[in-house]
Amino acid sequence: QKEVEQNSGPLSVPEGAIASLNCTYSDRGSQSFFWYRQYSGKSPELIMSIYSNGDKEDGRFTAQLNKASQYVSLLIRDSQPSDSATYLCAVAPGGSYIPTFGRGTSLIVHP
Amino acid sequence: DAGVIQSPRHEVTEMGQEVTLRCKLISGHNSLFWYRQTMMRGLELLIYFNNNVPIDDSGMPEDRFSAKMPNASFSTLKIQPSEPRDSAVYFCASSKGTPQETQYFGPGTRLLVL
Repeated sequence: QKEVEQNSGPLSVPEGAIASLNCTYSDRGSQSFFWYRQYSGKSPELIMSIYSNGDKEDGRFTAQLNKASQYVSLLIRDSQPSDSATYLCAVAPGGSYIPTFGRGTSLIVHP
Repeated sequence: DAGVIQSPRHEVTEMGQEVTLRCKLISGHNSLFWYRQTMMRGLELLIYFNNNVPIDDSGMPEDRFSAKMPNASFSTLKIQPSEPRDSAVYFCASSKGTPQETQYFGPGTRLLVL
């Protein structure tokens, strides 16, 4: 059973702070890692994907992957109230396999 | 370019009734996923199609659920008979190529079975 674990939160941070979201996974053979954002009542949308160990930056977002420790994280710099949402981590093994989603972490950015 | 289209957006039905959910893929995409999302279980994959062929249906809860892809751009998910525990938001998502490609989600169908 492939598992993806996230702290459900809520994680509350002040506006302008760095929000750090974490995700651990059980399948050591996993190759592809994704972060989706889901606003309340809306559908998930992809914000970052990462495939290699290390950091990947896109604007205010940084994804960090450590395959040896089997975790992937998402950092949001200069957090804004509009970043308040649930963040879903998804992990896929190599080959033509399907990502498994975590249950998500709720982020609240307060002014 | 239109995104993934789902209908209906909301469905309220009574236990025992048949429910049919519909999904239109993004043009050019060949992978189709049906998900179910609840507070208790999160986002669960029900079935995955590639090039109209069901590849993985291990997430389909039981025989009451069935999914079809009669052509490259359209899919249905049917629940017959429906039960209150089927109440959830059902998402359809499509992607181009392998399942690891970006999945684009539709707006979802909120199903309530009374």
